[in-house]
Amino acid sequence: GEDVEQSLFLSVREGDSSVINCTYTDSSSTYLYWYKQEPGAGLQLLTYIFSNMDMKQDQRLTVLLNKKDKHLSLRIADTQTGDSAIYFCAETPEDTGRRALTFGSGTRLQVQP
Amino acid sequence: DTGVSQNPRHKITKRGQNVTFRCDPISEHNRLYWYRQTLGQGPEFLTYFQNEAQLEKSRLLSDRFSAERPKGSFSTLEIQRTEQGDSAMYLCASSVDLRGTQYFGPGTRLLVL
Repeated sequence: GEDVEQSLFLSVREGDSSVINCTYTDSSSTYLYWYKQEPGAGLQLLTYIFSNMDMKQDQRLTVLLNKKDKHLSLRIADTQTGDSAIYFCAETPEDTGRRALTFGSGTRLQVQP
Repeated sequence: DTGVSQNPRHKITKRGQNVTFRCDPISEHNRLYWYRQTLGQGPEFLTYFQNEAQLEKSRLLSDRFSAERPKGSFSTLEIQRTEQGDSAMYLCASSVDLRGTQYFGPGTRLLVL
């Protein structure tokens, strides 16, 4: 079955770039997502990428996909204290009707002023 | 459009009691998903609906759990004879169709004493 893994914790200083990494095991074409969760809240969609793309940029966010290594990263430029949250990588295979998401355990990003 | 809403936001109950949660998806989203998130983990898929039809249930959904979406709009998730292990955040998501991005509600946090 599908499996998604992330590092647990990342600490950066305000103004620096943050890079959050994720690996997945699904070998089929897939959609890959990044969600943000603040304490006690639901999940906020940040961005997504389909597995036929290598990169996607959206304002301060850059997603890089290495299909060979099944490695996904989220880069946040000019990280702010408001970016402190848990970031989840998730994937869903393109070729099934279910489309339920498989999530990693989340990476807690701490931004120090 | 106000997004996905869930009620109640918090529920405390005693072991053995029944609880029911409600999810109102984004208008005209025909897919609705339920996930469960325990502390320190990513969300795990429970079940999903296409309109009023419940198309898949995960192994996590024991016989004590039942979900409905009677008119293809809002959905309810009921847990009978709650156990302490049911304590978690229950998240609802909706998408416009099979290929649509899933948007999450704020969740219902359940504590079983």
